[in-house]
Amino acid sequence: AQSVTQPDIHITVSEGASLELRCNYSYGATPYLFWYVQSPGQGLQLLLKYFSGDTLVQGIKGFEAEFKRSQSSFNLRKPSVHWSDAAEYFCAVGGGAGKSTFGDGTTLTVKP
Amino acid sequence: EAGVVQSPRYKIIEKKQPVAFWCNPISGHNTLYWYRQNLGQGPELLIRYENEEAVDDSQLPKDRFSAERLKGVDSTLKIQPAELGDSAVYLCASSLGGVPGETQYFGPGTRLLVL
Repeated sequence: AQSVTQPDIHITVSEGASLELRCNYSYGATPYLFWYVQSPGQGLQLLLKYFSGDTLVQGIKGFEAEFKRSQSSFNLRKPSVHWSDAAEYFCAVGGGAGKSTFGDGTTLTVKP
Repeated sequence: EAGVVQSPRYKIIEKKQPVAFWCNPISGHNTLYWYRQNLGQGPELLIRYENEEAVDDSQLPKDRFSAERLKGVDSTLKIQPAELGDSAVYLCASSLGGVPGETQYFGPGTRLLVL
């Protein structure tokens, strides 16, 4: 069975500081991996996804993520956080068509 | 282009009452998903449609939940009767064609509170 663990429930960073959100997955084959962002009262928006190829994936809003097969990880990074990045972030793993499993999310707070 | 539309945005009902949620996917998207998101958790898939066919409803509590997607466009999710534990956000998403790993586009969700 596929599963996703986001070890950090809540992270606080100062505006302008770098950010890394952790994601570990369990999947029997090469996974499809996703990061989504959810602002209060909004649906999820896709930041980036990985299928194959270059293990460093660029996404929208200046985010990137690195796939590390040996560590079963797909961590999300941003070099300089903006106040508007405050939101909840979800990592997801997918295999068969449409079958995605989401982690429980990490809430990001940005200090001025 | 309009995104995924859901209504209502909020619903408060008493337990044992019925409730229905409506979703209109992005035009041209053949695949439609219903998710439930409990507080502090990620979304969990309830049912997935390819056009009008439910191809994955293994997580749908069929004793009280039902869904339909007539004509393969918009969809309705119903709960009857609602229980306290059904309080959650119900998200609808759509994608082009059910290809593994394709992007899903989410609506804003319906927040249900069962008293």
